[in-house]
Amino acid sequence: GENVEQHPSTLSVQEGDSAVIKCTYSDSASNYFPWYKQELGKGPQLIIDIRSNVGEKKDQRIAVTLNKTAKHFSLHITETQPEDSAVYFCAALTSGNTPLVFGKGTRLSVIA
Amino acid sequence: EAQVTQNPRYLITVTGKKLTVTCSQNMNHEYMSWYRQDPGLGLRQIYYSMNVEVTDKGDVPEGYKVSRKEKRNFPLILESPSPNQTSLYFCASRITGVRAEAFFGQGTRLTVV
Repeated sequence: GENVEQHPSTLSVQEGDSAVIKCTYSDSASNYFPWYKQELGKGPQLIIDIRSNVGEKKDQRIAVTLNKTAKHFSLHITETQPEDSAVYFCAALTSGNTPLVFGKGTRLSVIA
Repeated sequence: EAQVTQNPRYLITVTGKKLTVTCSQNMNHEYMSWYRQDPGLGLRQIYYSMNVEVTDKGDVPEGYKVSRKEKRNFPLILESPSPNQTSLYFCASRITGVRAEAFFGQGTRLTVV
């Protein structure tokens, strides 16, 4: 089955700097790659996603890139703010009827 | 408002005392699942259900049961809880389409003593 590796497990950046979180997946049939943000005391929430027919997607300060050949995808957050501090999870999906497989998460701390 | 509701939010129980964590969604989603979240291990799937009366094991099903008698509800049952089931539990639901955004509940923090 699918396996998703996520790095780093923790990341500290200064406010205003950029943050990058990387994930690799094992199943070349995976075609949907969402990113979730989990704030303290809450459930994860979708922040951006990308499908396998797209190489990059951007939404204001966040962007996701996908390299299908290398089987990896990354989350980029620019101009980080303290409210970006949270745990971020990447995930991969092979088809609508299969489980969404998550990475182990990255705890991002933005230092003011 | 579209939401997934879990109850209770917090629970402390003793080893061996059966408990049920409820999960309900109001989005008419076919797919529902349960995860547990432990430090350093991320979100691990316990059970999932693709529709009413259809359930399947995830990565860590031992010690848990589920049922899906109605589309909106997906309770998690611990018949005989043990301390290693102390964890943060999340229920999630989504459609079964390709862009399968998962909606998560607020979580249930369970402590088994």
